[in-house]
Amino acid sequence: SQQGEEDPQALSIQEGENATMNCSYKTSINNLQWYRQNSGRGLVHLILIRSNEREKHSGRLRVTLDTSKKSSSLLITASRAADTASYFCATGNTGFQKLVFGTGTRLLVSP
Amino acid sequence: NAGVTQTPKFQVLKTGQSMTLQCAQDMNHNSMYWYRQDPGMGLRLIYYSASEGTTDKGEVPNGYNVSRLNKREFSLRLESAAPSQTSVYFCASSEAYRGSYEQYFGPGTRLTVT
Repeated sequence: SQQGEEDPQALSIQEGENATMNCSYKTSINNLQWYRQNSGRGLVHLILIRSNEREKHSGRLRVTLDTSKKSSSLLITASRAADTASYFCATGNTGFQKLVFGTGTRLLVSP
Repeated sequence: NAGVTQTPKFQVLKTGQSMTLQCAQDMNHNSMYWYRQDPGMGLRLIYYSASEGTTDKGEVPNGYNVSRLNKREFSLRLESAAPSQTSVYFCASSEAYRGSYEQYFGPGTRLTVT
């Protein structure tokens, strides 16, 4: 069964706007990761946040994690057309890392 | 470095046929994974190999077998293909035991079973 569910399922914005997508999960985790998938391609790792962290930044990406609410958010600032892709959250438990992926958010950034 | 490579890129099978999907990584990772991706379902883990010589079932293993041929290669076999196995298959690798949890994905194999 899916661990994470992303919200919204689809998001359409203009270039320069910020994009926020959310992920909720069900069980305790060791870390939460975000991946990007361009159409017809494999997934690419974006950022990892550990369960003892609340916020993390990487370039135009900002990730937050609220373990009490079992939720995370990914913020992409100043979006570009090249950010158009599907974004997935994935959770990992302690020990060996079998990731469980959410269902994804499809982001469309229009020029 | 090629990263994770998969062959073939596309395949069409008839129900009951068999085939093997190949995956190789050149990053010296210990762990490898096979996922399937269906529309609206995200990725689901079929099988994984935590280290060379070991394989374990994931969430959806029925109808599949795997072989960890060596540290680089991890193959997925469909013995008797069914239309329900129409999907996009991704192989991934990671260094899960060394605290580096990110996974690296191949480009995928698009399989259609008629």
